[in-house]
Amino acid sequence: SQELEQSPQSLIVQEGKNLTINCTSSKTLYGLYWYKQKYGEGLIFLMMLQKGGEEKSHEKITAKLDEKKQQSSLHITASQPSHAGIYLCGASYRAGTASKLTFGTGTRLQVTL
Amino acid sequence: GAVVSQHPSWVICKSGTSVKIECRSLDFQATTMFWYRQFPKKSLMLMATSNEGSKATYEQGVEKDKFLINHASLTLSTLTVTSAHPEDSSFYICSAREPTSGWPYNEQFFGPGTRLTVL
Repeated sequence: SQELEQSPQSLIVQEGKNLTINCTSSKTLYGLYWYKQKYGEGLIFLMMLQKGGEEKSHEKITAKLDEKKQQSSLHITASQPSHAGIYLCGASYRAGTASKLTFGTGTRLQVTL
Repeated sequence: GAVVSQHPSWVICKSGTSVKIECRSLDFQATTMFWYRQFPKKSLMLMATSNEGSKATYEQGVEKDKFLINHASLTLSTLTVTSAHPEDSSFYICSAREPTSGWPYNEQFFGPGTRLTVL
């Protein structure tokens, strides 16, 4: 089974609406990363969470990590067409300079006018 | 943030030929680079970890003789798809770690990806 699950798989929202994307890990995370990808392009780093209960915001995007460090949410306020894309959560499960990232299944977001 | 480039951005090749994809860290030295593969509408799957000056570490199920990785310098890793077949068609993305950065030690900077189509 997938180690990192995202929900929903796809989302269509009207411009101006709020939305939330969830990322659930089957085991305790060391670090959780959120990325955005436009189709056919590389990944753009959004935010990183490491401490249980941590919350970070940048512009209209807020990311949270639960106390148990197994679940994270990404919330977009007043969505805009520029928010459209694929959102991916990535998890590291150990510290260290070469530990790899496991990626979630991705959430495809469309923002309609 | 640090910049990672990939070349080519897209390539079309005939079945049976080999294709080389380059991943470069432009403004930092990367002792570790990662190669991912992404199928349409799917997430990224790690193929291998490329270590400068040593052999790559491949993930389970990835054929090391099929996907040759060379990390000859601190700024360049290459992925060669040997004897390519249509099922190798995919979007390949590399990432690089900047080793001197503070937390997050695991921060990876991603390249723009290479779309490979094998006819």
